[in-house]
Amino acid sequence: GENVEQHPSTLSVQEGDSAVIKCTYSDSASNYFPWYKQELGKRPQLIIDIRSNVGEKKDQRIAVTLNKTAKHFSLHITETQPEDSAVYFCAASKGTYNNNDMRFGAGTRLTVKP
Amino acid sequence: SAVISQKPSRDICQRGTSLTIQCQVDSQVTMMFWYRQQPGQSLTLIATANQGSEATYESGFVIDKFPISRPNLTFSTLTVSNMSPEDSSIYLCSVGTGGQPQHFGDGTRLSIL
Repeated sequence: GENVEQHPSTLSVQEGDSAVIKCTYSDSASNYFPWYKQELGKRPQLIIDIRSNVGEKKDQRIAVTLNKTAKHFSLHITETQPEDSAVYFCAASKGTYNNNDMRFGAGTRLTVKP
Repeated sequence: SAVISQKPSRDICQRGTSLTIQCQVDSQVTMMFWYRQQPGQSLTLIATANQGSEATYESGFVIDKFPISRPNLTFSTLTVSNMSPEDSSIYLCSVGTGGQPQHFGDGTRLSIL
Protein backbone atom coordinates (compact mmCIF):
# COMPACT_ATOMS: atom_id res chain seq x y z
CA GLY A 1 0.00 0.00 0.00
CA GLU A 2 0.84 3.66 -0.07
CA ASN A 3 3.58 4.97 2.18
CA VAL A 4 3.91 8.69 2.82
CA GLU A 5 7.02 10.16 4.39
CA GLN A 6 7.08 13.72 5.70
CA HIS A 7 10.00 15.96 6.63
CA PRO A 8 10.94 17.69 8.79
CA SER A 9 9.16 16.51 11.91
CA THR A 10 9.64 19.91 13.53
CA LEU A 11 10.28 23.29 11.97
CA SER A 12 10.88 26.61 13.67
CA VAL A 13 10.94 29.86 11.71
CA GLN A 14 10.94 33.55 12.47
CA GLU A 15 7.79 35.49 11.75
CA GLY A 16 7.85 36.70 8.16
CA ASP A 17 10.13 33.94 6.93
CA SER A 18 9.03 31.13 4.64
CA ALA A 19 8.42 27.54 5.67
CA VAL A 20 8.66 24.46 3.47
CA ILE A 21 7.43 20.99 4.33
CA LYS A 22 8.19 18.06 2.05
CA CYS A 23 6.46 14.73 1.49
CA THR A 24 7.26 11.72 -0.63
CA TYR A 25 4.90 8.94 -1.63
CA SER A 26 5.50 5.43 -2.85
CA ASP A 27 2.53 4.55 -5.09
CA SER A 28 2.83 6.11 -8.56
CA ALA A 29 -0.94 5.64 -8.98
CA SER A 30 -1.65 8.24 -6.27
CA ASN A 31 -3.29 11.28 -7.81
CA TYR A 32 -4.72 13.38 -4.98
CA PHE A 33 -2.60 15.16 -2.36
CA PRO A 34 -4.24 17.20 0.40
CA TRP A 35 -2.60 19.12 3.22
CA TYR A 36 -4.17 19.49 6.65
CA LYS A 37 -3.46 21.92 9.47
CA GLN A 38 -4.17 20.82 13.02
CA GLU A 39 -4.04 23.36 15.80
CA LEU A 40 -3.65 22.14 19.35
CA GLY A 41 -6.80 20.40 20.53
CA LYS A 42 -8.64 20.95 17.25
CA ARG A 43 -9.67 18.95 14.23
CA PRO A 44 -7.43 18.59 11.17
CA GLN A 45 -8.56 21.17 8.62
CA LEU A 46 -7.95 20.98 4.90
CA ILE A 47 -5.89 23.99 3.83
CA ILE A 48 -4.98 23.14 0.25
CA ASP A 49 -4.94 20.17 -2.08
CA ILE A 50 -3.52 19.31 -5.49
CA ARG A 51 -4.26 16.72 -8.12
CA SER A 52 -1.77 14.98 -10.33
CA ASN A 53 -2.73 16.90 -13.46
CA VAL A 54 -1.42 20.11 -11.89
CA GLY A 55 2.15 20.97 -10.93
CA GLU A 56 1.46 23.87 -8.60
CA LYS A 57 -1.43 25.48 -6.79
CA LYS A 58 -1.54 28.68 -4.76
CA ASP A 59 -3.93 30.15 -2.25
CA GLN A 60 -2.74 33.48 -0.85
CA ARG A 61 0.33 32.72 1.31
CA ILE A 62 0.11 28.96 0.80
CA ALA A 63 1.29 26.98 -2.20
CA VAL A 64 1.74 23.32 -2.98
CA THR A 65 4.01 21.88 -5.65
CA LEU A 66 3.95 18.36 -7.07
CA ASN A 67 6.67 16.45 -8.86
CA LYS A 68 5.09 13.25 -10.17
CA THR A 69 8.32 11.91 -11.60
CA ALA A 70 10.11 12.13 -8.27
CA LYS A 71 6.92 11.30 -6.34
CA HIS A 72 7.19 14.18 -3.97
CA PHE A 73 5.11 17.22 -3.09
CA SER A 74 5.74 20.20 -0.88
CA LEU A 75 3.85 22.81 1.10
CA HIS A 76 5.19 26.35 1.00
CA ILE A 77 4.04 29.02 3.44
CA THR A 78 5.30 32.53 2.81
CA GLU A 79 5.33 35.51 5.19
CA THR A 80 4.65 33.24 8.13
CA GLN A 81 2.62 34.51 11.06
CA PRO A 82 2.33 33.20 14.64
CA GLU A 83 -1.14 31.86 13.83
CA ASP A 84 0.48 29.52 11.29
CA SER A 85 1.92 27.59 14.24
CA ALA A 86 0.33 24.13 14.14
CA VAL A 87 0.96 20.55 13.06
CA TYR A 88 0.72 20.04 9.31
CA PHE A 89 -0.09 16.68 7.71
CA CYS A 90 0.31 15.71 4.10
CA ALA A 91 -1.63 12.83 2.57
CA ALA A 92 -1.82 10.86 -0.66
CA SER A 93 -4.65 8.94 -2.29
CA LYS A 94 -5.39 7.08 -5.52
CA GLY A 95 -8.87 8.55 -5.49
CA THR A 96 -10.83 5.34 -5.75
CA TYR A 97 -14.45 6.37 -5.23
CA ASN A 98 -15.66 3.70 -2.85
CA ASN A 99 -12.42 3.04 -1.07
CA ASN A 100 -10.43 5.06 1.35
CA ASP A 101 -6.80 4.55 0.51
CA MET A 102 -5.72 7.96 1.82
CA ARG A 103 -2.56 7.72 3.90
CA PHE A 104 -1.14 10.48 6.03
CA GLY A 105 2.39 11.57 6.70
CA ALA A 106 3.71 11.65 10.25
CA GLY A 107 3.20 15.40 10.58
CA THR A 108 5.36 18.50 10.93
CA ARG A 109 5.12 20.72 13.97
CA LEU A 110 5.63 24.28 12.75
CA THR A 111 6.46 26.99 15.24
CA VAL A 112 6.51 30.61 14.09
CA LYS A 113 8.37 32.84 16.52
CA PRO A 114 7.16 36.43 16.81
CA SER B 1 -18.48 21.34 3.45
CA ALA B 2 -20.54 19.07 5.71
CA VAL B 3 -20.90 19.91 9.39
CA ILE B 4 -19.76 16.94 11.47
CA SER B 5 -20.70 16.58 15.14
CA GLN B 6 -19.06 14.07 17.43
CA LYS B 7 -20.18 13.07 20.91
CA PRO B 8 -18.78 12.90 23.50
CA SER B 9 -15.98 15.41 23.02
CA ARG B 10 -13.98 13.74 25.78
CA ASP B 11 -14.31 11.04 28.37
CA ILE B 12 -12.35 9.33 31.09
CA CYS B 13 -13.12 5.65 31.40
CA GLN B 14 -12.14 2.70 33.54
CA ARG B 15 -10.22 -0.15 31.97
CA GLY B 16 -12.36 -3.05 30.88
CA THR B 17 -15.34 -0.87 30.04
CA SER B 18 -16.64 0.17 26.61
CA LEU B 19 -17.51 3.56 25.14
CA THR B 20 -19.61 4.38 22.11
CA ILE B 21 -18.76 7.50 20.11
CA GLN B 22 -21.36 9.07 17.86
CA CYS B 23 -20.83 10.92 14.60
CA GLN B 24 -23.65 12.96 13.06
CA VAL B 25 -23.42 14.74 9.71
CA ASP B 26 -25.79 17.49 8.60
CA SER B 27 -26.17 16.05 5.10
CA GLN B 28 -26.16 12.63 3.49
CA VAL B 29 -22.66 11.41 2.73
CA THR B 30 -21.50 8.33 0.92
CA MET B 31 -18.38 7.59 2.88
CA MET B 32 -17.75 7.87 6.59
CA PHE B 33 -14.50 6.91 8.24
CA TRP B 34 -13.10 6.44 11.71
CA TYR B 35 -9.53 7.41 12.57
CA ARG B 36 -7.38 7.12 15.64
CA GLN B 37 -4.78 9.72 16.55
CA GLN B 38 -2.53 8.68 19.38
CA PRO B 39 -0.83 11.46 21.36
CA GLY B 40 1.57 13.40 19.15
CA GLN B 41 1.05 11.00 16.26
CA SER B 42 -0.48 11.00 12.80
CA LEU B 43 -3.92 9.86 11.70
CA THR B 44 -4.46 6.13 11.38
CA LEU B 45 -7.56 4.78 9.63
CA ILE B 46 -9.48 2.29 11.75
CA ALA B 47 -12.29 1.44 9.35
CA THR B 48 -14.69 2.62 6.70
CA ALA B 49 -18.28 2.69 7.92
CA ASN B 50 -20.52 1.26 5.20
CA GLN B 51 -24.21 2.05 5.18
CA GLY B 52 -26.27 -1.11 5.45
CA SER B 53 -23.34 -3.50 5.63
CA GLU B 54 -20.42 -4.43 7.83
CA ALA B 55 -17.59 -1.94 8.21
CA THR B 56 -14.32 -2.46 6.35
CA TYR B 57 -11.45 -2.65 8.82
CA GLU B 58 -7.82 -1.79 8.23
CA SER B 59 -5.00 -4.10 9.14
CA GLY B 60 -4.51 -4.21 12.88
CA PHE B 61 -8.10 -3.31 13.75
CA VAL B 62 -10.84 -5.88 14.39
CA ILE B 63 -14.58 -5.75 14.71
CA ASP B 64 -14.64 -7.27 18.19
CA LYS B 65 -12.54 -4.41 19.53
CA PHE B 66 -14.01 -1.59 17.42
CA PRO B 67 -17.58 -2.44 16.42
CA ILE B 68 -19.05 0.16 14.06
CA SER B 69 -22.61 0.88 13.06
CA ARG B 70 -23.90 2.97 10.15
CA PRO B 71 -27.69 2.83 10.13
CA ASN B 72 -28.12 5.62 7.56
CA LEU B 73 -26.23 8.13 5.41
CA THR B 74 -25.87 10.74 8.16
CA PHE B 75 -24.92 8.80 11.29
CA SER B 76 -22.33 6.33 12.53
CA THR B 77 -21.05 5.02 15.84
CA LEU B 78 -17.72 3.58 16.90
CA THR B 79 -17.46 1.53 20.07
CA VAL B 80 -14.13 1.05 21.80
CA SER B 81 -14.55 -2.23 23.68
CA ASN B 82 -12.81 -3.66 26.72
CA MET B 83 -10.63 -0.57 26.99
CA SER B 84 -7.06 -0.55 28.21
CA PRO B 85 -4.68 2.40 28.74
CA GLU B 86 -3.27 1.77 25.23
CA ASP B 87 -6.63 2.85 23.81
CA SER B 88 -6.12 6.38 25.13
CA SER B 89 -6.29 8.44 21.95
CA ILE B 90 -8.30 10.92 19.99
CA TYR B 91 -10.91 9.21 17.82
CA LEU B 92 -11.99 11.16 14.75
CA CYS B 93 -14.88 10.72 12.38
CA SER B 94 -14.44 11.96 8.82
CA VAL B 95 -16.54 12.11 5.68
CA GLY B 96 -15.71 12.25 1.98
CA THR B 97 -15.57 10.07 -1.09
CA GLY B 98 -12.33 8.61 -2.37
CA GLY B 99 -10.08 11.17 -3.96
CA GLN B 100 -12.12 14.05 -2.64
CA PRO B 101 -11.41 16.33 0.31
CA GLN B 102 -12.06 14.65 3.61
CA HIS B 103 -13.47 16.67 6.45
CA PHE B 104 -13.10 15.75 10.08
CA GLY B 105 -15.20 16.05 13.18
CA ASP B 106 -13.77 17.64 16.32
CA GLY B 107 -12.79 14.26 17.71
CA THR B 108 -13.34 12.42 20.97
CA ARG B 109 -10.48 12.61 23.42
CA LEU B 110 -10.47 9.35 25.35
CA SER B 111 -8.44 8.59 28.46
CA ILE B 112 -8.45 5.21 30.15
CA LEU B 113 -7.43 4.86 33.77
